[in-house]
Amino acid sequence: SQQGEEDPQALSIQEGENATMNCSYKTSINNLQWYRQNSGRGLVHLILIRSNEREKHSGRLRVTLDTSKKSSSLLITASRAADTASYFCATDARGSTLGRLYFGRGTQLTVWP
Amino acid sequence: ETGVTQTPRHLVMGMTNKKSLKCEQHLGHNAMYWYKQSAKKPLELMFVYSLEERVENNSVPSRFSPECPNSSHLFLHLHTLQPEDSALYLCASSTQGLAGGPLEQFFGPGTRLTVL
Repeated sequence: SQQGEEDPQALSIQEGENATMNCSYKTSINNLQWYRQNSGRGLVHLILIRSNEREKHSGRLRVTLDTSKKSSSLLITASRAADTASYFCATDARGSTLGRLYFGRGTQLTVWP
Repeated sequence: ETGVTQTPRHLVMGMTNKKSLKCEQHLGHNAMYWYKQSAKKPLELMFVYSLEERVENNSVPSRFSPECPNSSHLFLHLHTLQPEDSALYLCASSTQGLAGGPLEQFFGPGTRLTVL
C-alpha cells in the first residue's frame, strides 16, 4: 500500500538535542505532510512539502523530501519537553481520491527535561 | 483548538447498544473524514465526504453508518459493535485540494470508544 512508514518507531532524547524522524513511501505523490499527536488527542498539522520542493522550514522544524528515494525527514531542532508526542507522515497517491491521505504508524518522540 | 469539535469525548457501550458520534467544523471546509486509530496500527481511513456526498467507504463493516447532513456536521452511527471496535475515532475536515494534491486536514480531539 502507499502508506508512509516512519522510522524509528520510538526516539528518546534530552532537551536541547535535535530529533530526526524519517518517512518512506511507495508510489508517486503530490505532496507529503507531517502531523503531530499528543497522547489520546487529535492530530495537528505541522508542515506540507510539495513533490517539487526539496526542503522546507517552519520555526524549529525542517523537512526534506527526496522523491528519487521516496523518503522524507523531519528535523526538530533544540527540542523541548513539550515536543514529546507521536509524529506521523502522511502522503497522498497520484490518481487517488482527492483528499485521501495515507498515514504510517508514527514515531513516538520522548524529550526528557 | 483546531476548529473541529467531537462529542462525546469518551463513550462506553455494550455490544447491543446504538450510539452516535458527532463531529462539527466551522472552518468552511468542504470535505470531512472519519478515521479509526487503534493501538500499534496506522490511522485507518473509514469514510470520506466531499460536498456532503460520500466519496469513499473503505470497506468498513455495516455496523458503522456515517451521515453528513450538511457541510459542517458529520455523524457516525454505531450499532451492534464488537469489542475489537474499541479505538479512538477521529474526525477531520479539509478543503479539497485540486492539482496540488490534498491539503492539510484539521482533526478533532477524538472520541475514545470502549465496547464491552
